[in-house]
Amino acid sequence: GAGVSQTPSNKVTEKGKYVELRCDPISGHTALYWYRQSLGQGPEFLIYFQGTGAADDSGLPNDRFFAVRPEGSVSTLKIQRTERGDSAVYLCASSLRPPSGRGKEAQYFGPGTRLLVL
Amino acid sequence: DAKTTQPPSMDCAEGRAANLPCNHSTISGNEYVYWYRQIHSQGPQYIIHGLKNNETNEMASLIITEDRKSSTLILPHATLRDTAVYYCIVRAVTSGGSYIPTFGRGTSLIVHP
Repeated sequence: GAGVSQTPSNKVTEKGKYVELRCDPISGHTALYWYRQSLGQGPEFLIYFQGTGAADDSGLPNDRFFAVRPEGSVSTLKIQRTERGDSAVYLCASSLRPPSGRGKEAQYFGPGTRLLVL
Repeated sequence: DAKTTQPPSMDCAEGRAANLPCNHSTISGNEYVYWYRQIHSQGPQYIIHGLKNNETNEMASLIITEDRKSSTLILPHATLRDTAVYYCIVRAVTSGGSYIPTFGRGTSLIVHP
């Protein structure tokens, strides 16, 4: 079946511009996650949705970052007034059930969007 | 919160078994251990998970010690396509209170001919 898809695959923008990154999760997956990955590092958690609501946005670095999932499926990560330090790969993942400390919910990742801020 | 420790890099000859260790000495009794891998320029890929029994699937085997403080991912016959960064993960609690998989820097496995 179809996996997690992300668009665009690459995005180049100028400092100060606004960007939107899209994630289409696996059909039926209720939980959706956004991560950011810098070169040589592991993915860093940004935000997690359960259904339409942001269940945990504690990883968002500042208020320039915002994400929505209005119908509980597709999600959009929005970055305002981009800075060069925002350059990274932005990964989206989904899981069938929400995360829990005792859970066994595997995450399925998309290929990522490579964002370059000039 | 449980943390994991992995060697930064390993190498393995093609066709041989690759054994990737992970320490998770602070793991809680009911927390699962997950393994993912990330091939260059791709998103992480789920491999396997376990609680306290050894697990095997079409990709790998997972051996968890009896005290659950460490585990080993085994790729029984490594191929060049297994060259990737391998992440051992135990969920950590975010400042927002959710149990979210927390990725460290993983082990960079290079399989050579």
